[in-house]
Amino acid sequence: TQLLEQSPQFLSIQEGENLTVYCNSSSVFSSLQWYRQEPGEGPVLLVTVVTGGEVKKLKRLTFQFGDARKDSSLHITAAQPGDTGLYLCAGIGGTSYGKLTFGQGTILTVHP
Amino acid sequence: DVKVTQSSRYLVKRTGEKVFLECVQDMDHENMFWYRQDPGLGLRLIYFSYDVKMKEKGDIPEGYSVSREKKERFSLILESASTNQTSMYLCASSYASGSLSSYEQYFGPGTRLTVT
Repeated sequence: TQLLEQSPQFLSIQEGENLTVYCNSSSVFSSLQWYRQEPGEGPVLLVTVVTGGEVKKLKRLTFQFGDARKDSSLHITAAQPGDTGLYLCAGIGGTSYGKLTFGQGTILTVHP
Repeated sequence: DVKVTQSSRYLVKRTGEKVFLECVQDMDHENMFWYRQDPGLGLRLIYFSYDVKMKEKGDIPEGYSVSREKKERFSLILESASTNQTSMYLCASSYASGSLSSYEQYFGPGTRLTVT
């Protein structure tokens, strides 16, 4: 069974600060996704990274896939209250019909 | 817009009751999934289906069964609800094949089930 360890579990920061969320595994993943979930809603995909070493940017969010495809990070620059939510990483192993393995999630709170 | 709908947002059932959770998607996706979400545990896969009448166990199938009679509908059944099945249940769907970047899962809003 492939596992994804996500850290930290909680982050409480002030508006304007930077933060990084980590997602680590001892297993290799074909690709890795990051989702964001707001209260009362299901997770929504932010990005998929496929190639080892890949970096993708989405406005103030930067996603990186490790060279060995075992880890990933999400960096937010100048966090805003609208970034508040639950962030989930999810990895795809072999093919397995697109089955995802999720990390435990990081609850981010950005205070104005 | 892709839409995944779940039959109830909130549900309260008694121990021992049979519970049906329904999920419908409108994107003609082949894959459908049922997860439960608990604080600190992320999303854990209960069952998934890759075609009509086809299903596979996920990581925590005990106490659950599923039914997929039509492509757009995937039902989760709790045969005899127990208090440890109190949780948030999320349904998702996705395409079955294509590039790795096309395995995006689309989620419903969730059903918060309380078993008393």
